[in-house]
Amino acid sequence: GQQLNQSPQSMFIQEGEDVSMNCTSSSIFNTWLWYKQEPGEGPVLLIALYKAGELTSNGRLTAQFGITRKDSFLNISASIPSDVGIYFCANNFGNEKLTFGTGTRLTIIP
Amino acid sequence: NAGVTQTPKFQVLKTGQSMTLQCAQDMNHEYMSWYRQDPGMGLRLIHYSVGAGITDQGEVPNGYNVSRSTTEDFPLRLLSAAPSQTSVYFCASGIQGGETQYFGPGTRLLVL
Repeated sequence: GQQLNQSPQSMFIQEGEDVSMNCTSSSIFNTWLWYKQEPGEGPVLLIALYKAGELTSNGRLTAQFGITRKDSFLNISASIPSDVGIYFCANNFGNEKLTFGTGTRLTIIP
Repeated sequence: NAGVTQTPKFQVLKTGQSMTLQCAQDMNHEYMSWYRQDPGMGLRLIHYSVGAGITDQGEVPNGYNVSRSTTEDFPLRLLSAAPSQTSVYFCASGIQGGETQYFGPGTRLLVL
């Protein structure tokens, strides 16, 4: 079916650690979007990827468009308390609808 | 530029009551959509619109109605609320569907 599988579901890390998460599908895509949702807020776009193999950074965040076009990766370096939230990948399956993954919930342990 | 605004922020309904969740955007986006977010389920598309006068169903449309009389507004109607509709509802807009969407702050709905 039209699913985006995210892993891990949740992460508990200490401040200063690096974070890696990924999103996979059985479908091939031309774009990948990564959103972040902070507690009590709506999702906000972090990074958009438009080409297989593309590596794009936004501050301490780096996202990659997988070479197979079926996956994408998001890394956060040197995590800080404001990185807490839920990270979603998103894509469209060739229609006018944006589908979201189930999210990776990031918690930072003091 | 307010972006996407949603009202109310919180609402409690009794089973069978009706209500309308309001959504407005001031970015002149043609595409607008409604999502619901439940724990562990991510965001699921309810209805969407590619322009004024045009609406279509998303993944979970049952129990919800929408209309799009203007570019700016896209209200979501619950005709007879059910406990299964307890959720957080997000409205979003974008230049076109399937691409970058800008989200409102959400409406938290509890149906008793």
